[in-house]
Amino acid sequence: KAGVTQTPRYLIKTRGQQVTLSCSPISGHRSVSWYQQTPGQGLQFLFEYFSETQRNKGNFPGRFSGRQFSNSRSEMNVSTLELGDSALYLCASSLRESSGANVLTFGAGSRLTVL
Amino acid sequence: AQSVTQLGSHVSVSEGALVLLRCNYSSSVPPYLFWYVQYPNQGLQLLLKYTSAATLVKGINGFEAEFKKSETSFHLTKPSAHMSDAAEYFCAVSLVHSGYALNFGKGTSLLVTP
Repeated sequence: KAGVTQTPRYLIKTRGQQVTLSCSPISGHRSVSWYQQTPGQGLQFLFEYFSETQRNKGNFPGRFSGRQFSNSRSEMNVSTLELGDSALYLCASSLRESSGANVLTFGAGSRLTVL
Repeated sequence: AQSVTQLGSHVSVSEGALVLLRCNYSSSVPPYLFWYVQYPNQGLQLLLKYTSAATLVKGINGFEAEFKKSETSFHLTKPSAHMSDAAEYFCAVSLVHSGYALNFGKGTSLLVTP
């Protein structure tokens, strides 16, 4: 079974630009979550999508947005990039287990550098 | 609100020695708990999870963790460290009232010396 695929793996942007990152979940997984990882703030939850609807949202400004398509693939967009947006962006897909736990499988990440 | 504290941002052990990585959580309701490992330039890989079944949880690569409610702890152990265990380890908590989003600790970098 293929894992979670994120594209692109690396990208460089300049301040003020926008960026779109893509995530293909594990086949059969309908939930996709996004996390930001930085040396200073660590791993922080951005948002979760389930069946094309945003189900949960972290504490990030409106410049960060996402969407999910009918095939469960997801994209996240960051507009008006700032230097502080430089980070590893991780996507994870999941199935809700019978215990109720939402167990995430992560992709390799997209490393964004903002100059 | 829940939070996760990982004691020790860096831990160094000799090859063959016991690995102990500490994780404490704060929560007013029963949590789901996870340990993930991250190798350089890679994403997070699930090591093990506690989902309110057995309190002693066995994971991949010889790791295990014990959920201790009285101590609000979920420490990760491995009897004998291997060089390939060198990586960053993250403890995370998930709660129903936060929509099951993972709240991660700051991470512990494990160094294994020959």
